[in-house]
Amino acid sequence: KAGVTQTPRYLIKTRGQQVTLSCSPISGHRSVSWYQQTPGQGLQFLFEYFSETQRNKRNFPGRFSGRQFSNSRSEMNVSTLELGDSALYLCASSLDRGDYGYTFGSGTRLTVV
Amino acid sequence: AQSVSQHNHHVILSEAASLELGCNYSYGGTVNLFWYVQYPGQHLQLLLKYFSGDPLVKGIKGFEAEFIKSKFSFNLRKPSVQWSDTAEYFCAVIVARDDKIIFGKGTRLHILP
Repeated sequence: KAGVTQTPRYLIKTRGQQVTLSCSPISGHRSVSWYQQTPGQGLQFLFEYFSETQRNKRNFPGRFSGRQFSNSRSEMNVSTLELGDSALYLCASSLDRGDYGYTFGSGTRLTVV
Repeated sequence: AQSVSQHNHHVILSEAASLELGCNYSYGGTVNLFWYVQYPGQHLQLLLKYFSGDPLVKGIKGFEAEFIKSKFSFNLRKPSVQWSDTAEYFCAVIVARDDKIIFGKGTRLHILP
C-alpha cells in the first residue's frame, strides 16, 4: 500500500511569506501528526489531527496552524515565515487516535531566506 | 517538562560488535516507549514499541529493547550489528497523561565493514 505522501519535497521561501505543506496519510489512517526536525532541536511534535479536529498542540507559535479534511489529508500552514522556521517538516499517520503506530513520510524541506 | 535523553550522539562500531544505545526519560507516570530508525535517504521507521507487559520488547531486524521502570530507561540492543544497521536511531516517549510524543535528539550509528 502507498505510504505517507508529503508535498512538496523542497521549498524555498523568503522571510515574511507564508507556506502550506500537504500530507496524505496511508489509506484508512485517520490520525495525522506533524513534526519539525532541526539539527539543534531535533524532532519536535507540533500537533495532531483526528477526525478533522486538532488535538495536542505543543507550544509552538500561533503562526503554525493546520487542518484536516474529511478524507484525512492534512495541511500545515506557517505564516510570516522567519529564518528559524527552516527545517524538515515531517508528517506521520496512524490508524486511529491513540494508536501510536506512526508511519512517517519523507518530509518537506523548507528553507527560509 | 518531560524530556528524552539519548546520551550517545555518535557511535562507531565494527561489524559483529554488540550494540547498546541508551535512552532515558524524565517522567514517573505511565509511558509508552518507542525506538525509530532512519536509514540514509529513507524516512523514519518504527523499530519497536512498548506499551505494557513484558518489559523486554523484540523488534524488527534483530533489535530488542528493555524497559526498566526504576531507571526510567529504554535501551536499545542488538547482539551483532551489520553494516546495514548504519542509521540514525531515535528514542521516543508518549506520556499517557499528555498524549504527546517526545523524541530524543537521536544517535548516529556508523558500522565499519
